[in-house]
Amino acid sequence: EPEVTQTPSHQVTQMGQEVILRCVPISNHLYFYWYRQILGQKVEFLVSFYNNEISEKSEIFDDQFSVERPDGSNFTLKIRSTKLEDSAMYFCASSLTGQDRYGYTFGSGTRLTVV
Amino acid sequence: QKEVEQNSGPLSVPEGAIASLNCTYSDRGSQSFFWYRQYSGKSPELIMSIYSNGDKEDGRFTAQLNKASQYVSLLIRDSQPSDSATYLCAVRGLVDSSYKLIFGSGTRLLVRP
Repeated sequence: EPEVTQTPSHQVTQMGQEVILRCVPISNHLYFYWYRQILGQKVEFLVSFYNNEISEKSEIFDDQFSVERPDGSNFTLKIRSTKLEDSAMYFCASSLTGQDRYGYTFGSGTRLTVV
Repeated sequence: QKEVEQNSGPLSVPEGAIASLNCTYSDRGSQSFFWYRQYSGKSPELIMSIYSNGDKEDGRFTAQLNKASQYVSLLIRDSQPSDSATYLCAVRGLVDSSYKLIFGSGTRLLVRP
């Protein structure tokens, strides 16, 4: 079964450093998403991406964050100048259409720890 | 502010029993509803989707939707210890052409052997 692949599985970084989280969505999917989940809290939407541009972003997704699809397969989330409160699980997801009634497929996540 | 509410639990049921998980949502324009299962430290895994009023069955799982009451539920029949996980309700609306899912905080299910 096709899957969304995320790397690394765990990233430890010092406060103030930049991190790039990587995702390989399912190959024929057109919509891509980043979500995060702080330990013990809800899964929160960060950003959706379609046709090489951001289609929607949440209040969390401020200037510290950026996304990019540098080639035909990768989808990245960059966090500049990380803060302690950025520590969370970051999930990438993809879907064939934006209105996919079958929901979308999540990757296994990257646990980001900011120290 | 669109909200999805779930009882955090834990909901404890004996093996073989029916587990009933509930979810309410605030946005009356919501169109699609999803149940995800999340094991500790893992990513959400889609188990059911529903978009029409009524029941939808898939194996041991039945999703129920009542749009008038803004209520969606998940029944798990013949619960197994392996069903022990957090169950996340997620809602997608089309009112503002948003494709994002809004998640509830999840209900932790514990199935006792």
